[in-house]
Amino acid sequence: SQQGEEDPQALSIQEGENATMNCSYKTSINNLQWYRQNSGRGLVHLILIRSNEREKHSGRLRVTLDTSKKSSSLLITASRAADTASYFCANSGGGSNYKLTFGKGTLLTVNP
Amino acid sequence: EPEVTQTPSHQVTQMGQEVILRCVPISNHLYFYWYRQILGQKVEFLVSFYNNEISEKSEIFDDQFSVERPDGSNFTLKIRSTKLEDSAMYFCASRETISYNEQFFGPGTRLTVL
Repeated sequence: SQQGEEDPQALSIQEGENATMNCSYKTSINNLQWYRQNSGRGLVHLILIRSNEREKHSGRLRVTLDTSKKSSSLLITASRAADTASYFCANSGGGSNYKLTFGKGTLLTVNP
Repeated sequence: EPEVTQTPSHQVTQMGQEVILRCVPISNHLYFYWYRQILGQKVEFLVSFYNNEISEKSEIFDDQFSVERPDGSNFTLKIRSTKLEDSAMYFCASRETISYNEQFFGPGTRLTVL
């Protein structure tokens, strides 16, 4: 079954606007992590939210987690052209290895 | 700031050849992972490694794949006989032992099998 589905699949906004991306997952989680990937490049860790947390902030990023709905959202405030990238959520589920299960990602385009 | 490094950044090989992808995890991390991302698709888990042995592997990680930590710093992924469908970006990741620690990823190796 698909896990960590993000929506929207693509989002295009103007510089200065806020961008909200959502993620759903199907299994229980230990934590949920958000990553950014510029085209053809590596995965940059953005933020981690634990299963017992509901909201977390880091700079212009705000992540929420609703374990009852098995969903998370990533808000980027005051977006910049440099924020253009793909954003993935990855859940670290059960088991002792905490492997990550990634979603398909949201391609964010911030137009200058 | 410490980071995960991977070499080479791009590897081109002929079908049937063996390739070894190399990673240097962050020095105080004890859990190591390989993931792959076929172009345009999700990042997929391949294998996790802890205490000098495989702790979990996915269905993708068949007998053609192996991992090794030959010394105190390197972590390698070997594909014995590459197939066209092995063409992908391969990412190494590492984390500390605490369960809620982040996994940090390397920049990836783009493997192209011709």
